[in-house]
Amino acid sequence: EPEVTQTPSHQVTQMGQEVILRCVPISNHLYFYWYRQILGQKVEFLVSFYNNEISEKSEIFDDQFSVERPDGSNFTLKIRSTKLEDSAMYFCASSDTGGGTDTQYFGPGTRLTVL
Amino acid sequence: GESVGLHLPTLSVQEGDNSIINCAYSNSASDYFIWYKQESGKGPQFIIDIRSNMDKRQGQRVTVLLNKTVKHLSLQIAATQPGDSAVYFCAENGGGYNKLIFGAGTRLAVHP
Repeated sequence: EPEVTQTPSHQVTQMGQEVILRCVPISNHLYFYWYRQILGQKVEFLVSFYNNEISEKSEIFDDQFSVERPDGSNFTLKIRSTKLEDSAMYFCASSDTGGGTDTQYFGPGTRLTVL
Repeated sequence: GESVGLHLPTLSVQEGDNSIINCAYSNSASDYFIWYKQESGKGPQFIIDIRSNMDKRQGQRVTVLLNKTVKHLSLQIAATQPGDSAVYFCAENGGGYNKLIFGAGTRLAVHP
């Protein structure tokens, strides 16, 4: 069964450093998403991406964040200068179509720890 | 504002019993709802979804009920098994946007 994959599973970084989280969405999906989950809290939407551009982003997704689809399979989230409060699980998701009524399938997540 | 609200309770059930997990949502524009299961250290796993033109949908051992009048969503799990132990999240689409708004989650603990 096709699934979303993410690497690394755990990333430890120093405050102020740049990190890139990587995702491989399900191959025939066209919409891609990033969410985060701070420990013990609910999952929060960060950004959605379609046709090589951001289609929607949340208030969390400020200038420190960027997303990219560098090739036909990868989808990345970059945090330019990490802060302590960026520590969280980051989940990538993908869906076949958009419009808000298509099932989003989630990857296993990357745990980001900012020291 | 838009929100999908769950206080974070723990629902404890005996193996073999039926479980009911509830969720309230506040955005009346939402027209698509999903239940996800999250096991420790893993990503949300799709369980079942429902569109606003329906009030009930059944899957394998799971049923989702939607009451738009009171903005309430529930997940029923029949014959609960130890493998069902996880945190369950409801999510809504806020009315057609390309994002999901998650509730806070309910922990389901299944005891043998």
